[in-house]
Amino acid sequence: EPEVTQTPSHQVTQMGQEVILRCVPISNHLYFYWYRQILGQKVEFLVSFYNNEISEKSEIFDDQFSVERPDGSNFTLKIRSTKLEDSAMYFCASSGQGVLAKNIQYFGAGTRLSVL
Amino acid sequence: KNQVEQSPQSLIILEGKNCTLQCNYTVSPFSNLRWYKQDTGRGPVSLTIMTFSENTKSNGRYTATLDADTKQSSLHITASQLSDSASYICVVSAPLSGNQFYFGTGTSLTVIP
Repeated sequence: EPEVTQTPSHQVTQMGQEVILRCVPISNHLYFYWYRQILGQKVEFLVSFYNNEISEKSEIFDDQFSVERPDGSNFTLKIRSTKLEDSAMYFCASSGQGVLAKNIQYFGAGTRLSVL
Repeated sequence: KNQVEQSPQSLIILEGKNCTLQCNYTVSPFSNLRWYKQDTGRGPVSLTIMTFSENTKSNGRYTATLDADTKQSSLHITASQLSDSASYICVVSAPLSGNQFYFGTGTSLTVIP
């Protein structure tokens, strides 16, 4: 069964450093998402991406965050200058085309980001 | 404010027993409601998805119900198994919010032998 893959599974970084989290969505999907989950808290929406541009973003997704689809397969989340409070599990998701398929999101296993 | 509340926060049941998880939401207008299962350290996996016109949807031992009038949903798990131990998350989407989805805090279910 096709799946969303995320790398790395765990990223440790120093405060102030830039990190790039990588995702390979399911190949024929057109909608891409990033979520985060701080330990013990609920999943929070960050951003959605369609047709090579951001379609929706939350208050969390400030100027420190950016997303990119550098080629036909990867979807990346960049945090320019990490803060301690950025420590969380980051999930990538994708969904297909069509009214029904668009609403069925497939999630990756996540990247745990630890900011020291 | 668009919110999704789930109860109970946690639940422990014996293997083989049934249980029901609750989800109340204030998201309006409403597009669809999903139930996800999230194993520890893993991404959520979709169990069911219902639009406002659907009252019930089943997926094996999982049955979700939806009352769009009272803005309530439930997830019923029948004949629980040890592998059902996970967090169950209710997610509501609103059409006017583009692709934004509202997540509940989840119910942590533990099935014990």
